[in-house]
Amino acid sequence: AQSVTQLGSHVSVSEGALVLLRCNYSSSVPPYLFWYVQYPNQGLQLLLKYTTGATLVKGINGFEAEFKKSETSFHLTKPSAHMSDAAEYFCAVSDEGAGKSTFGDGTTLTVKP
Amino acid sequence: EPEVTQTPSHQVTQMGQEVILRCVPISNHLYFYWYRQILGQKVEFLVSFYNNEISEKSEIFDDQFSVERPDGSNFTLKIRSTKLEDSAMYFCASRWQADFSYEQYFGPGTRLTVT
Repeated sequence: AQSVTQLGSHVSVSEGALVLLRCNYSSSVPPYLFWYVQYPNQGLQLLLKYTTGATLVKGINGFEAEFKKSETSFHLTKPSAHMSDAAEYFCAVSDEGAGKSTFGDGTTLTVKP
Repeated sequence: EPEVTQTPSHQVTQMGQEVILRCVPISNHLYFYWYRQILGQKVEFLVSFYNNEISEKSEIFDDQFSVERPDGSNFTLKIRSTKLEDSAMYFCASRWQADFSYEQYFGPGTRLTVT
């Protein structure tokens, strides 16, 4: 069975500071990994995904994530936080076959002026 | 750009009533999913659907739930007798069969409120 652990339910950074949101996964097969952002009362927007190939993945809005198999991690980073980055972030892993996604508990990012 | 649509955006119903949530997946997609998100909690998988049958379902998806693709374009989730704890945001998603990235495209969600 697959699982995702997001360390830190709440992360607060100052505007312009580095954003680091942590995600560790458990999967019996090579994982397909995703980060989503959710703004209040809205749906899920895909930030980036890892399937195969390059382990450093770049996404939208300046975010990127690095797949580290040895650490079973897929942490999300952004060099400089913007006020508009304040949202809920979900890490997810998909399996093969029917490809259902298993989500982490989410991390609420707060950006202070 | 093609997108998944869901109707209604908000549904209020009384406990014990039946509700049907509707989704229109992206037209060339062949895998369909329902997820739910209770307020303030994580997104939970309910069911996946492929080739006109359920391919996988979670423990949440009990006999009160059913899914259907009635006309080749819509994908519905029915809850036969709603309970207070069914109040949640329900997301539909779809995936292209040959997309080996397994990326799912999510709809905007239907907020279900059971009173």
